[in-house]
Amino acid sequence: RKEVEQDPGPFNVPEGATVAFNCTYSNSASQSFFWYRQDCRKEPKLLMSVYSSGNEDGRFTAQLNRASQYISLLIRDSKLSDSATYLCVVNLDKLTFGTGTQLKVEL
Amino acid sequence: DAGVIQSPRHEVTEMGQEVTLRCKPISGHDYLFWYRQTMMRGLELLIYFNNNVPIDDSGMPEDRFSAKMPNASFSTLKIQPSEPRDSAVYFCASRASLAFDYEQYFGPGTRLTVT
Repeated sequence: RKEVEQDPGPFNVPEGATVAFNCTYSNSASQSFFWYRQDCRKEPKLLMSVYSSGNEDGRFTAQLNRASQYISLLIRDSKLSDSATYLCVVNLDKLTFGTGTQLKVEL
Repeated sequence: DAGVIQSPRHEVTEMGQEVTLRCKPISGHDYLFWYRQTMMRGLELLIYFNNNVPIDDSGMPEDRFSAKMPNASFSTLKIQPSEPRDSAVYFCASRASLAFDYEQYFGPGTRLTVT
């Protein structure tokens, strides 16, 4: 089983739609969790951290369920500029990246 | 700040040749990471350094790969001899010890093609 698993997509959604990505991780001792964003042929960049209580940053909401070892990212009112690959990242003694979920927002 | 700098940005080489990738981390960052990204395996950590000392090289695929960090502002990843299966994008990243949320800053990557 992979340490971090994500649906690769692609998710094709119209502008303005709400889209949710999910991620599961295998090591229950994992300490912290993040979402990174990677644009086509660019480097990954931190999008947001994921806290147990859930956290929101504008149109983006991240949730963590430690009991189910499950992380989610919700994007509301999606924009064309949200088109990218979203990487689920888990930290134990080092960051472990999922293979990413591709999002395409269309007119 | 210029960010993490990597060179070359693109490298095309023939099987059996030596390849050297270079990285300059962000000034003041004391952690440096080398990753490899492929479509099949995603982003994999190869090795990381703390204060120029290699801490974990368990991700280095085999003896053909070696990495050095002679000083706080420079690191190299060497592949000798290179093979077609080494074709990938290689990213260098750095972060500060006390970085909030362990945020790593990635360089633009080196796209390596081995023919």
